[in-house]
Amino acid sequence: DADVTQTPRNRITKTGKRIMLECSQTKGHDRMYWYRQDPGLGLRLIYYSFDVKDINKGEISDGYSVSRQAQAKFSLSLESAIPNQTALYFCATSDTRTGGYEQYFGPGTRLTVT
Amino acid sequence: QKEVEQNSGPLSVPEGAIASLNCTYSDRGSQSFFWYRQYSGKSPELIMSIYSNGDKEDGRFTAQLNKASQYVSLLIRDSQPSDSATYLCAVNDDTDKLIFGTGTRLQVFP
Repeated sequence: DADVTQTPRNRITKTGKRIMLECSQTKGHDRMYWYRQDPGLGLRLIYYSFDVKDINKGEISDGYSVSRQAQAKFSLSLESAIPNQTALYFCATSDTRTGGYEQYFGPGTRLTVT
Repeated sequence: QKEVEQNSGPLSVPEGAIASLNCTYSDRGSQSFFWYRQYSGKSPELIMSIYSNGDKEDGRFTAQLNKASQYVSLLIRDSQPSDSATYLCAVNDDTDKLIFGTGTRLQVFP
């Protein structure tokens, strides 16, 4: 089984709809991240969480919200989807116990807003 | 604004050659450096990490770090068509997050 899973893997939704992307991990890592990736723009950080009670905005948090329901679960919500939120979304995890900063990514969710 | 810069490519090399991918970063305080490989439509996969000046080898991959020049590189020896992907450089910032470059696309032709 994959260590970091994301659901759904693909989603098509209409403008104005609320949607939630979910991320779960079995790695036991304390830190979790949400990124979006657009062609030519690379990975951009939306939100990150260093533990269950610590949620922080990234560089592009407008239009998004998150919830860290447990150490293993981190959800991303689009309250009212708009077409320019069409992108590939990745969840990632890291572990402060290792002393490093390496992040491990889930398989991604391809979101299309029409 | 802390930055990680990479040439977008594509870098085209023949099968069996050495591919050399380069990355520069702006934050002199960075201590951890990573290379990720990303196939089209897939998620980034960690392939190398390096923390000290010099070279680090793992199979066909060698990461090179020069903190004085704020430069990190990845060499891929005996390049294979299966190495064709986008390679992302990532560097830690002072708030324990990673800053990613936009990636270099590598094409290995038979």
